[in-house]
Formats: sequence, C-alpha cells, structure tokens
Amino acid sequence: GQQVMQIPQYQHVQEGEDFTTYCNSSTTLSNIQWYKQRPGGHPVFLIQLVKSGEVKKQKRLTFQFGEAKKNSSLHITATQTTDVGTYFCAGRVGGGATNKLIFGTGTLLAVQP
Amino acid sequence: KAGVTQTPRYLIKTRGQQVTLSCSPISGHRSVSWYQQTPGQGLQFLFEYFSETQRNKGNFPGRFSGRQFSNSRSEMNVSTLELGDSALYLCASSLRGMGADTQYFGPGTRLTVL
Repeated sequence: GQQVMQIPQYQHVQEGEDFTTYCNSSTTLSNIQWYKQRPGGHPVFLIQLVKSGEVKKQKRLTFQFGEAKKNSSLHITATQTTDVGTYFCAGRVGGGATNKLIFGTGTLLAVQP
Repeated sequence: KAGVTQTPRYLIKTRGQQVTLSCSPISGHRSVSWYQQTPGQGLQFLFEYFSETQRNKGNFPGRFSGRQFSNSRSEMNVSTLELGDSALYLCASSLRGMGADTQYFGPGTRLTVL
C-alpha cells in the first residue's frame, strides 16, 4: 500500500546545530504538508508545498518538495530548545473527493541546551 | 474562532467494552478526520467524514466506526475493546477535506484499555 517514510526516526542535537528530516513516498504526491507535535500535544500545521521543486522558508525552517513530488525535507538552522517535538510530513494522494492524507512515521527531535 | 474540541480527554475502559468519542470541529469546517496515534505505529488514519458522509476509510477493523451529524460534529465508536486499542485518538477538521487544505487537530482523547 501507499507509504510515507521519514528518516531519521530520532535525532538528538546540541542547541545551535542544524537538523534535517527527510520524507519519502512510495507514490507521487499531489502536495505535502508538514506538522509539528510538541511532547504531550497535538500535531500543528506548519506548511504546505504543492509545486514540484518548491522551496519555502519560515524563519529558521526550510521546506523542500522534490522534483518528482515523491520526497520532501525539512531543515532547521541553528536549533533552539523550542524546536523540540516530533515532525511529521503528510502527503496527499489521489484527487477530488477520494484523496487521502498519509502521514509519515515522524522524526522526534531532541535539543540539548 | 474556537479550536477543535474533543471529549472526553481521558478514558479508561476494560476489554470487551465499547466506547464513544466526540469531536467538535472548527465552526464552518465540514470535514472531520480521525486518527489513532500509538508510539509504535505513529499516526494511523481511521476515516474521514464530510457533510455527514464517510468519504475515506483507513485499514481498521469494523469494530471502529463513526458518524457525522448535520452540525459537523463527529463521533467515533469502538466496540469490543482490545488491549491494543489503547492509544491517543485525534480528530482533525478542515474546510474542504483532508489533504486539500490545513488540518486542525484537537487535543485528543487518551484511551486506556485494561
């Protein structure tokens, strides 16, 4: 079936270091969304990418959507303790009323001060 | 605008019982999706309701069912509970449907099955 894998599953960094999580889909995606879930919280929407090769930035966060629309990445520059949490990508497959959103396995980021 | 609300927030049940969880979406949102989150399996999609109709379904057994009312509020029911059903159940609402635009998640219902 359709799967969206993320690597790594877990990353521990020192505050100030960079962090990247990668998302890979077995099928072509219509778009991809990224969510962040703080410990004990619920997923919160970060961004949506739609176009092939699209790059978007939010302050220290950079999101990319691959040319083939099957992979994506999230890069955080100079991590801070507030970046702690699990980052999920979610890819849209299908179209119209039958489209589905498939969540990736998530990457848990720990930031040591 | 008020966010997505879920009740109850915590629930303890025993094997064999059934449970009903409730989700109230953001006002104006017609789509409600349900997810099961466990440490081992991540976020697993259960089903999506849009304007009172189930539009998408994940790969869960028939013990998991849901419905949506005319005011877009949704309920999820799990019958004959099993230990493996212990999880955080999240609902998310959106304007046009899952994947079409932003999903706003509720705080979740933490279900423990003993």
